[in-house]
Amino acid sequence: GEDVEQSLFLSVREGDSSVINCTYTDSSSTYLYWYKQEPGAGLQLLTYIFSNMDMKQDQRLTVLLNKKDKHLSLRIADTQTGDSAIYFCAEIAYSGAGSYQLTFGKGTKLSVIP
Amino acid sequence: ETGVTQTPRHLVMGMTNKKSLKCEQHLGHNAMYWYKQSAKKPLELMFVYSLEERVENNSVPSRFSPECPNSSHLFLHLHTLQPEDSALYLCASSQSRQSNQPQHFGDGTRLSIL
Repeated sequence: GEDVEQSLFLSVREGDSSVINCTYTDSSSTYLYWYKQEPGAGLQLLTYIFSNMDMKQDQRLTVLLNKKDKHLSLRIADTQTGDSAIYFCAEIAYSGAGSYQLTFGKGTKLSVIP
Repeated sequence: ETGVTQTPRHLVMGMTNKKSLKCEQHLGHNAMYWYKQSAKKPLELMFVYSLEERVENNSVPSRFSPECPNSSHLFLHLHTLQPEDSALYLCASSQSRQSNQPQHFGDGTRLSIL
């Protein structure tokens, strides 16, 4: 079945760049997403990349996709204390019978040290 | 601001109580989802509704009973819950089950079973 793997923890100093990595197994993925979950809140869609793209940049966020290796990364430039949260990688792929299925990783907890 | 609203935000109940969780989406979406988020476990998809019809039930115990009266509202009726049911319950919606567009999440209901 589909599987999405992430490291569980990442700690960086304020002002440094953060890189959160993710690997997935389903080669039929159409979109890959990054969600952010702050304490006490739900999942907020942060950014996404279409599977035929290599890179997407959105202000401080850069998403890199290596489709051959099924590797996705999220880079946060100039990391701030407000970026401390859990980041979930997710892929959506066609699951048959006209439906799409979204599969999440376990999430990477990013801690930003002032 | 989220287009998906969940109430209550927190709920404490005994094992013999009956309560309901409510979710409302203001995005004009046709698919709605219930997820369970427990500590140190991946997000678990519980139920999927598409155009008010339940299309997926992922082996969820019968003490959880979903209801979708229209495409904007989703309920999760709870009765005779167990301590291991304590978790964050997240509602999400998407354009449709047949679309690869992302899911949008509410802030969840934090449920504690005494």
